[in-house]
Amino acid sequence: GGIITQTPKFLIGQEGQKLTLKCQQNFNHDTMYWYRQDSGKGLRLIYYSITENDLQKGDLSEGYDASREKKSSFSLTVTSAQKNEMAVFLCASSILGDQNTLYFGAGTRLSVL
Amino acid sequence: QQQVRQSPQSLTVWEGETAILNCSYEDSTFDYFPWYHQFPGESPALLIAIRPVSNKKEDGRFTIFFNKREKKFSLHIADSQPGDSATYFCAASLASSGQKLVFGQGTILKVYL
Repeated sequence: GGIITQTPKFLIGQEGQKLTLKCQQNFNHDTMYWYRQDSGKGLRLIYYSITENDLQKGDLSEGYDASREKKSSFSLTVTSAQKNEMAVFLCASSILGDQNTLYFGAGTRLSVL
Repeated sequence: QQQVRQSPQSLTVWEGETAILNCSYEDSTFDYFPWYHQFPGESPALLIAIRPVSNKKEDGRFTIFFNKREKKFSLHIADSQPGDSATYFCAASLASSGQKLVFGQGTILKVYL
């Protein structure tokens, strides 16, 4: 078995601030994802990385940057936090040949004051 | 544009009843349809999935019914238990886009004694 570790668990930011969320996985999975979860809107894909040197935009990439530092880690940056923004950011990973089965981390809960 | 739509937004059933959660999709090229469940305070996890080659997939009390012509699929939870209370997400995979998953908005299921 493996685990996906997201840090921090809780993140409080100020409007306009640049914020970075980190994700580490020890499954040795090739593909990693960042999803945003808002109440009533399901899970929306922000960025994903199929392999170590790849970066793909999802449907919600505007306002975010991502970086796949190495196979086991994938970071997400909120380029300018929006006032009163509240959401949970979920990192996930999958095997390259089975990208339909995602394994999720526990999430980072963001609040912007 | 929401490619995968889910209903109802919330559902309450009594213990022992069958809970029915519905999903529809727009793109006929989708070729993989999983359901994920998320218990309060936890991250989503794969529950059951189906491919269009069949119209039914069973796993214990959980059954997916798939209707390719109408582009709909549903999750039936037989003999519902209070421990089934969770948020359920349907999803669809678009093979031409690198098999990234598109999620529905989620259904909050509550099972009462």
